[in-house]
Amino acid sequence: GQSLEQPSEVTAVEGAIVQINCTYQTSGFYGLSWYQQHDGGAPTFLSYNALDGLEETGRFSSFLSRSDSYGYLLLQELQMKDSASYFCAVRDRSGNTGKLIFGQGTTLQVKP
Amino acid sequence: DSGVTQTPKHLITATGQRVTLRCSPRSGDLSVYWYQQSLDQGLQFLIQYYNGEERAKGNILERFSAQQFPDLHSELNLSSLELGDSALYFCASSEGTGYNSPLHFGNGTRLTVT
Repeated sequence: GQSLEQPSEVTAVEGAIVQINCTYQTSGFYGLSWYQQHDGGAPTFLSYNALDGLEETGRFSSFLSRSDSYGYLLLQELQMKDSASYFCAVRDRSGNTGKLIFGQGTTLQVKP
Repeated sequence: DSGVTQTPKHLITATGQRVTLRCSPRSGDLSVYWYQQSLDQGLQFLIQYYNGEERAKGNILERFSAQQFPDLHSELNLSSLELGDSALYFCASSEGTGYNSPLHFGNGTRLTVT
């Protein structure tokens, strides 16, 4: 089976940089995804890492280390609108179903 | 706008009742997923369909069932409702089951069981 661990809460100030970590256990690995969810709204896709290294998309970057079963989401130049929950997720390899399993989410609070 | 449409947005019903949640995936997407999110909880996978066929099941209760129709829309049926079924129910779709296919989520149906 799969399991993912991420911190439940992170607080940072506007303009700062914050890193949200995710460790995973999975019987097969096909990449780590990140999703953002604002207060009960629809989760939205942020990034996907299949290979080791850093992927950058504007102010957001995502990193993966497959040997460490670890990844993180890096948010730079924090803005108030970045206050949201962030979920890491992995695909389930069993049965080639492609279902996406999510972590419990990290609530990011950005303060002025 | 993700292109995924869920109806209704809100549903209030009593214990013991049955409800149906509806989802229309993004145009061209063949996979539909249902997730449950209870208060301050993560997204719990319920069930997945691909092109009309059930593809994967998560921790879906026997009181819950779903199907995907030939036009690819999907319905999630919840019966004998209990207070603990109160949650946000999200539908998501993806182009396929490819591992790099992102999920596109609808705005969810907020179910309140009283």
